[in-house]
Amino acid sequence: SQQGEEDPQALSIQEGENATMNCSYKTSINNLQWYRQNSGRGLVHLILIRSNEREKHSGRLRVTLDTSKKSSSLLITASRAADTASYFCATDLNYQLIWGAGTKLIIKP
Amino acid sequence: GAVVSQHPSRVICKSGTSVKIECRSLDFQATTMFWYRQFPKQSLMLMATSNEGSKATYEQGVEKDKFLINHASLTLSTLTVTSAHPEDSSFYICSASEQGSKNIQYFGAGTRLSVL
Repeated sequence: SQQGEEDPQALSIQEGENATMNCSYKTSINNLQWYRQNSGRGLVHLILIRSNEREKHSGRLRVTLDTSKKSSSLLITASRAADTASYFCATDLNYQLIWGAGTKLIIKP
Repeated sequence: GAVVSQHPSRVICKSGTSVKIECRSLDFQATTMFWYRQFPKQSLMLMATSNEGSKATYEQGVEKDKFLINHASLTLSTLTVTSAHPEDSSFYICSASEQGSKNIQYFGAGTRLSVL
């Protein structure tokens, strides 16, 4: 089942620019996770942010979480061609992940 | 990081045959494994959750007799699509989580099933 909505559905930017994707959800959560999926492949876990955290960094990734608005954002700084992929948010409650619809990110060289 | 191997990566079969997909956790014990189906340009649809040694929990609308799941060990789960039909053609992905891992899921590379 899906509870997350992500926007934009698709994003195309120039290499070197920053990319921001948003995720909104409906219920309370234990944590929220972001995953990346390259075309025709499985998903790769990027970062997890707990419900009591507001911001988290990992390399060029920055994730924020606003539980009052039930939303999260993923920022990729200094984008590279290799960042081209679909990005999914997933909320965790009671040990099951509920997936967003995903944002397709295209980095133009 | 934790590695999950999914095999085969692609299978083409005739209508009416059964197809088995394997999902193995290579360097950790997967207390829970998940099977997803993904339609083109869409998100993941959870089909079932399986815990080692117990019956899988299927999501609403997923036929248990059609999609047989076996999780016989802490490192192996299988999904068998029985009597496959063209409408079963899809991308199937497994994932595994380790106890105490905050429910981070580690994914296999997926299996592209095409039923002729």
